[in-house]
Amino acid sequence: QVQLQESGPGLVKPSQTLSLTCTVSGASIRSVNTYWTWIRQHPGKGLEWIGYIYYSGSTYYNPSLNSRVTISVDMSKNQFSLSLNSVTAADTAVYYCARENQVDYDALDYWGPGALVTVSS
Amino acid sequence: QSVLTQPPSASGTPGQRVTISCSGSTSNIGINTVNWYQQLPGTAPKLLIYRNNQRPSGVPDRFSASKSGTSASLAISGLQFEDEADYYCAAWDNSLTGRGVFGGGTKLTVL
Repeated sequence: QVQLQESGPGLVKPSQTLSLTCTVSGASIRSVNTYWTWIRQHPGKGLEWIGYIYYSGSTYYNPSLNSRVTISVDMSKNQFSLSLNSVTAADTAVYYCARENQVDYDALDYWGPGALVTVSS
Repeated sequence: QSVLTQPPSASGTPGQRVTISCSGSTSNIGINTVNWYQQLPGTAPKLLIYRNNQRPSGVPDRFSASKSGTSASLAISGLQFEDEADYYCAAWDNSLTGRGVFGGGTKLTVL
């Protein structure tokens, strides 16, 4: 079955860059009409859509984060990654990677368990 | 402030029917489909409803949803203790360059 797993540092210093990788198993990053997505959830708060990438490299980002975020894909490793620069305490959150399946659902049908990233000196 | 508006809380007793509303605008719910996610405590969200009113395999038919204009709603009938969770509506928003948007979430308490 499809599984996603986030990995990366759990602690990042202010002004530095947050980097997370999502490893996908049970599905190919090259799947058509499938968009690989990052979402975050601030402690005790709701969900915030960060952006997604298509295997071709096309990306869509949340305009509120657009200037600081980059999502990339590594097809050889079946992974996609999130980079968020100039972080502050406001970027402390659980970060989820997920699959947007536009073939069957037009929705996020598989999610990783989430990775807590704390921004603190 | 979330782009989609949900009530922060809802409650019911076992066996009851509860509904959760989700209000949007002409740039999101008005022209795009709505999905609903269930987030049990300490876990990742799970797809509950897709394309306004469709249930993925494995989701009980106690869960139903609808959309009208710029609003949507989720209904849970025959409420069970295991339904206690946070529920989020979501849609694509065509404003600016386009982005996914979520509601602020509704915490459902089963009394």
